[in-house]
Amino acid sequence: KQEVTQIPAALSVPEGENLVLNCSFTDSAIYNLQWFRQDPGKGLTSLLLIQSSQREQTSGRLNASLDKSSGRSTLYIAASQPGDSATYLCAAPIPNDYKLSFGAGTTVTVRA
Amino acid sequence: ETGVTQSPTHLIKTRGQQVTLRCSSQSGHNTVSWYQQALGQGPQFIFQYYREEENGRGNFPPRFSGLQFPNYSSELNVNALELDDSALYLCASSYRTGGSFFRTQYFGPGTRLLVL
Repeated sequence: KQEVTQIPAALSVPEGENLVLNCSFTDSAIYNLQWFRQDPGKGLTSLLLIQSSQREQTSGRLNASLDKSSGRSTLYIAASQPGDSATYLCAAPIPNDYKLSFGAGTTVTVRA
Repeated sequence: ETGVTQSPTHLIKTRGQQVTLRCSSQSGHNTVSWYQQALGQGPQFIFQYYREEENGRGNFPPRFSGLQFPNYSSELNVNALELDDSALYLCASSYRTGGSFFRTQYFGPGTRLLVL
């Protein structure tokens, strides 16, 4: 059974600061690792998907790294903006288990 | 290309009632998964439907049931509602060709259920 943990649970930074969000998973035999954004009361928006064979993935100001051997992924958000305020979730599916196993998320507040 | 849609957006029910939530999958997708997200927690997998059959189920009681239709849309039914069923219910669609290859799931906006 895959267990996913996200630390910290909440983060507050001033605008312009870089954000570092952490995700840990117990079963390293993952298919991929996906980062999502969730605005309050809304659904999930996929941000980045890292295949198990990749070490990182980038999209604009977002960069996600993956270290399967240590069971960790990190999401970096450069030059944060108030619009980045949201909850960020990671999910790490494993073979023969079609569900996404989510962490509880990190709630980010970027202060103007 | 249309995204995943869910209805209704909000719902209020009383304990003991039954509820049906609906999900239309993204065009070209044949698999629908349902998740329950309680306040402050990550989504928890309820079950997945592939080719109109349940294919994987999380730790939810039998009063949570579902259907998938030939057009790949899906329903989630919950009987004998309990207060703890209050949550955001998310539907996600994806495309499978069979086997165990895992593809990206695309989420709908969710249905917010409140049980009083």
